[in-house]
Amino acid sequence: AQKVTQTQTSISVMEKTTVTMDCVYETQDSSYFLFWYKQTASGEIVFLIRQDSYKKENATVGHYSLNFQKPKSSIGLIITATQIEDSAVYFCAMRDMTNSAGNKLTFGIGTRVLVRP
Amino acid sequence: ETAVFQTPNYHVTQVGNEVSFNCKQTLGHDTMYWYKQDSKKLLKIMFSYNNKQLIVNETVPRRFSPQSSDKAHLNLRIKSVEPEDSAVYLCASSYDQQYFGPGTRLTVL
Repeated sequence: AQKVTQTQTSISVMEKTTVTMDCVYETQDSSYFLFWYKQTASGEIVFLIRQDSYKKENATVGHYSLNFQKPKSSIGLIITATQIEDSAVYFCAMRDMTNSAGNKLTFGIGTRVLVRP
Repeated sequence: ETAVFQTPNYHVTQVGNEVSFNCKQTLGHDTMYWYKQDSKKLLKIMFSYNNKQLIVNETVPRRFSPQSSDKAHLNLRIKSVEPEDSAVYLCASSYDQQYFGPGTRLTVL
């Protein structure tokens, strides 16, 4: 069974600095997808960035980047030049590549990030 | 831009009542999902529906039943709600990554 673990429950940072969030995962599959989502105060869940397990290069989208360490089953999220609006709960998620699971996502419990002015 | 729509936004009901939530996606995706998010923010898959094939999460109580008329719609019915059903129910759809609706917050009194 798949499992996604986020050990940091909350992080507080100053605006314009960098925040790093940890995520480790467990899977029996040799190929899988990893995602980060953001849930805002309004409850909206927004897709941020993904990493395909077969890709060695770390994904980057805007001021989001990933630190993918496959041997450690780790997929950290890095947000540079944080803004107040980056305050949210960040979820790490995994999806395997088999259809038997219906492409479902397994989520971590989330990390709450507070960006202070 | 919202492409996964859910109604209602909120619903308050009494124990034992039946409720129904609607979800529609305009992304042309083949796969839709229902997730439950509890008070601790934990997100758990309930159902996924892919090309008319329903995949049920076996831990979901039988009073929950998804209903789909076509691949753009996946509704959720709960017969005889219980207090522990109070949560936010999130619909999503995907081709590759999943896109979520705004959620329906259910409160069972």
